[in-house]
Amino acid sequence: SQTIHQWPATLVQPVGSPLSLECTVEGTSNPNLYWYRQAAGRGLQLLFYSVGIGQISSEVPQNLSASRPQDRQFILSSKKLLLSDSGFYLCAWSQGLAGYEQYFGPGTRLTVT
Amino acid sequence: DAKTTQPNSMESNEEEPVHLPCNHSTISGTDYIHWYRQLPSQGPEYVIHGLTSNVNNRMASLAIAEDRKSSTLILHRATLRDAAVYYCIPGDGNQFYFGTGTSLTVIP
Repeated sequence: SQTIHQWPATLVQPVGSPLSLECTVEGTSNPNLYWYRQAAGRGLQLLFYSVGIGQISSEVPQNLSASRPQDRQFILSSKKLLLSDSGFYLCAWSQGLAGYEQYFGPGTRLTVT
Repeated sequence: DAKTTQPNSMESNEEEPVHLPCNHSTISGTDYIHWYRQLPSQGPEYVIHGLTSNVNNRMASLAIAEDRKSSTLILHRATLRDAAVYYCIPGDGNQFYFGTGTSLTVIP
């Protein structure tokens, strides 16, 4: 069966510090991968998605970036965090295009102080 | 992306049916209608999806209007574990755009 892992579960970082969040998927190959962010009291915002190694599409201009160095690994990064980067970061995967389910990881709660 | 309109919140008594509406009047012909739900401090969970016909699974039923401009998620017997935010998401590809959804409260 497929599983999706995210770490860390919680993170407190000062403004201006770097960020690296990792997501890995097991039990499937060539998944589509996604990063979402949910600010407090808000809906989920799609940040990045990837349909293959090295292929990243950005949905929202920001100081975040994403990379996919391996088929089942998706990394969210920032060189300098802003207060507005605080939120609940979720990684998800899907096996295909239209009509396919997205499976979400447990999330990382990031607080920028 | 098709814009959706959902009630901000709804309440239901435990063990009674719940009908969660969603308007998506700008939906395109190739858009599926997906429903997800999110429990507090967890990632969203797939509930059901459909294209034109009504759909049933172990979790819920999805009733899609004939003109596809609206749909209704039906929970046949609400339980306390169904208390969550429910998102209606039309889409035809990889990108899902979640709105603020409907917060369902189940009253014991």
